[in-house]
Amino acid sequence: NAGVTQTPKFQVLKTGQSMTLQCAQDMNHNSMYWYRQDPGMGLRLIYYSASEGTTDKGEVPNGYNVSRLNKREFSLRLESAAPSQTSVYFCASSWTGDGYTFGSGTRLTVV
Amino acid sequence: QKEVEQNSGPLSVPEGAIASLNCTYSDRGSQSFFWYRQYSGKSPELIMFIYSNGDKEDGRFTAQLNKASQYVSLLIRDSQPSDSATYLCAVTGTSYGKLTFGQGTILTVHP
Repeated sequence: NAGVTQTPKFQVLKTGQSMTLQCAQDMNHNSMYWYRQDPGMGLRLIYYSASEGTTDKGEVPNGYNVSRLNKREFSLRLESAAPSQTSVYFCASSWTGDGYTFGSGTRLTVV
Repeated sequence: QKEVEQNSGPLSVPEGAIASLNCTYSDRGSQSFFWYRQYSGKSPELIMFIYSNGDKEDGRFTAQLNKASQYVSLLIRDSQPSDSATYLCAVTGTSYGKLTFGQGTILTVHP
């Protein structure tokens, strides 16, 4: 039972490059989330998916897109990376209204 | 005003003491309240949740909720060096399932 699996764990991008962060959960959770964590800022919601087939913007969606591929998988895409997107990205999943289970995180640096 | 605010840290307590972590929230319609622990370089892990006014105890941890004052706290009794971490308060508002996080409080328990 792996829980929430995120790939890659580390990534360095050049400004303007694109990439997709992958997330998969094996707990049959309905809801999935992408957060970013920056020093002194806590966790901020980028996008979320309340159920398969739906996605909605969170607090800081600009520069990102998401795809809920199926119930298990929720990917986050950066189309044109900027240095301001240097952060640690966490994927999480949950049953409705319950606490989250987090993935191990992706440390992204944009140079 | 931030939606979820935690007492500024860092907080330092001696081993065996009670550590008190505090959190206030602005959305009076908030339904569920969570405390997460995050070790350096790791992902957040859920340690407590509370839905109703009053106290909830789990081992050395006690969560306290006062909806009238829009206040939630976490007490850690008999603090251990292994409790040294960042503690994140999180709240679900009236929006479906989404958690809003505070900025975190760094706790250090010294021998």
